[in-house]
Parts: sequence; structure tokens; C-alpha cells
Amino acid sequence: ILNVEQSPQSLHVQEGDSTNFTCSFPSSNFYALHWYRWETAKSPEALFVMTLNGDEKKKGRISATLNTKEGYSYLYIKGSQPEDSATYLCAFRRDNYGQNFVFGPGTRLSVLP
Amino acid sequence: NAGVTQTPKFQVLKTGQSMTLQCAQDMNHEYMSWYRQDPGMGLRLIHYSVGAGITDQGEVPNGYNVSRSTTEDFPLRLELAAPSQTSVYFCASSNNFEGQGYSPLHFGNGTRLTVT
Repeated sequence: ILNVEQSPQSLHVQEGDSTNFTCSFPSSNFYALHWYRWETAKSPEALFVMTLNGDEKKKGRISATLNTKEGYSYLYIKGSQPEDSATYLCAFRRDNYGQNFVFGPGTRLSVLP
Repeated sequence: NAGVTQTPKFQVLKTGQSMTLQCAQDMNHEYMSWYRQDPGMGLRLIHYSVGAGITDQGEVPNGYNVSRSTTEDFPLRLELAAPSQTSVYFCASSNNFEGQGYSPLHFGNGTRLTVT
């Protein structure tokens, strides 16, 4: 069974702070890494699809990097806002696991006004 | 465009009862899947399908059955509900089959199931 880990489990930041968290995944047989944003009482929504070592993606104040050789991805939020409060999930797809993803347990972010 | 629609949103069952969670998508996605979400754990794959007539087991398939008679629908059936199946269930679909790129998963709004 694949093990995808995320850290920290949760964090609280003040509005305006920048923050980052980590997704760790197996470094072999990499196919893709997804980041999802999951707000309370809603369903997860895709932020980034990352496929190549060294990928950097950006959407507004949120960006992500990918290192497939060492098996990690970072998600950065610049100038956090209360509306950024959510759980951030990463999902790893291996190239010999059909089309299926293994999800990490998530990082729960609370941005305090 | 409705996306992925799950019903019901909430359900309470007694141990031993049966029920079907419905999932439908209108995006013509070949790939569909069911996950369960439990506190402190990531979404865990129950069953998945890569097209009509094709289903396979995921990480936690025991106690669940699926069928895929059409591209649009992928129901999840619990035959003999147990308290261990108390969870939030999500259906997800994608256009992510081989050679077609890396489309993300599109999720339904979830079904909160309690088995007493």
C-alpha cells in the first residue's frame, strides 16, 4: 500500500502571513501529483496537476513545486486570507496503479483575521 | 452543467440493512470512483471503473459492490451495513485515461452515512 504523507496536520496563521506545507510520496514510478482544496461542507476542488520533476504551478497567491526524485511537493500560500481556510489535499498517482490516486490525510489551514 | 451528482446527502441505516448510494456525472468521463473519508485519514479508494461494464477494487472494497451499466452512472451498494461503514462517501470522475493527459478528479458533494 502506498503511503502519502502531509505535514503539518494543521496550522493556524494570521491574515497576511505566508505559509507552506508539504506532501511526501514514493519517489519511484511517479505519474502525477494533484493538489486539491477542500472547504468545509463542500467537495474537494482541484488546484494543480503536476507531472514533471521541477514543475512549478501558480494560481493567484497559491503556488506549488514538485520534486519527483526525492518524492515531495510543496504548496505555498502568499499573504493568507481568511477565505484560504480549508483542508489542502495532495493525491499521488503511480504509473503502474491503473488510473487511481492515493490521497494524503490533508493539511487543515485556518487563517485568522 | 451539473458535474457529479450524489444522492442522498445524508442517510442513517441500522446494522444489516442495505442501500445504494447513487452517483451520476454528465461530463462523459470514462473514469469513475468511490472514496470514503474517515477522521484523520486520507480519502481511501473503495472501487473504481474505467468505463461502462468495467469495475475493479480499490484499497478498501470489502462490504461494498458497484456496477457500471452506463458511462454516466456508478452506484455503490452496501449489502449488509455495519457500523464500521459509518463514513462520508465521495464519488469522483475524471477524463484521466491513458494518453489523454492528466485531468483532475471532479468530486460529488458527498454522502454522510451513519450505521447504528
